[in-house]
Amino acid sequence: GQSLEQPSEVTAVEGAIVQINCTYQTSGFYGLSWYQQHDGGAPTFLSYNALDGLEETGRFSSFLSRSDSYGYLLLQELQMKDSASYFCAFYSGGYQKVTFGTGTKLQVIP
Amino acid sequence: DADVTQTPRNRITKTGKRIMLECSQTKGHDRMYWYRQDPGLGLRLIYYSFDVKDINKGEISDGYSVSRQAQAKFSLSLESAIPNQTALYFCATSDLGQGGNEQFFGPGTRLTVL
Repeated sequence: GQSLEQPSEVTAVEGAIVQINCTYQTSGFYGLSWYQQHDGGAPTFLSYNALDGLEETGRFSSFLSRSDSYGYLLLQELQMKDSASYFCAFYSGGYQKVTFGTGTKLQVIP
Repeated sequence: DADVTQTPRNRITKTGKRIMLECSQTKGHDRMYWYRQDPGLGLRLIYYSFDVKDINKGEISDGYSVSRQAQAKFSLSLESAIPNQTALYFCATSDLGQGGNEQFFGPGTRLTVL
């Protein structure tokens, strides 16, 4: 079957670093994406990893290990506005199928 | 800058009613998707379409149907609404020409079935 697992909630302090993990199970894996969603808002794209390694975009970085079926999103210099839900999602079946995880709710505290 | 729009934004209906949720996009993307979001369950794919003549079922298509009227329009219908279809519904688009990795979401439609 196809599935993703990520923690349901994470709390971190403003200015700190937090890592949100995602493990997946699927066949025909193409890549792993991350999305951010603020309460009441629409998901917005953060990053995509097709190959093993770290992708950095400003304060956000995303990592993928295909051999371990594992990825993570790293948020540095946390700000209060980073409080949101973060979803990992994978593409399989030749980009024909997109499966989202259940999301990690990040709370940034002062 | 509403590239992906959804109408209505909120809808309250009664069990057994037929309703349609509409999605329009001005991004020129070929791929369009319908998701529902329930608390604790994340986003689940209902239907997706890669062009006007291509419609595919997602993981939870039962009780739903779709129509791709044009490249820019993708509608979701609930033939006979039931209370467990109460959810937040999102339309999304992506562009195969740009790799198709990034999905662009509309603002969502909050549907309540009484």
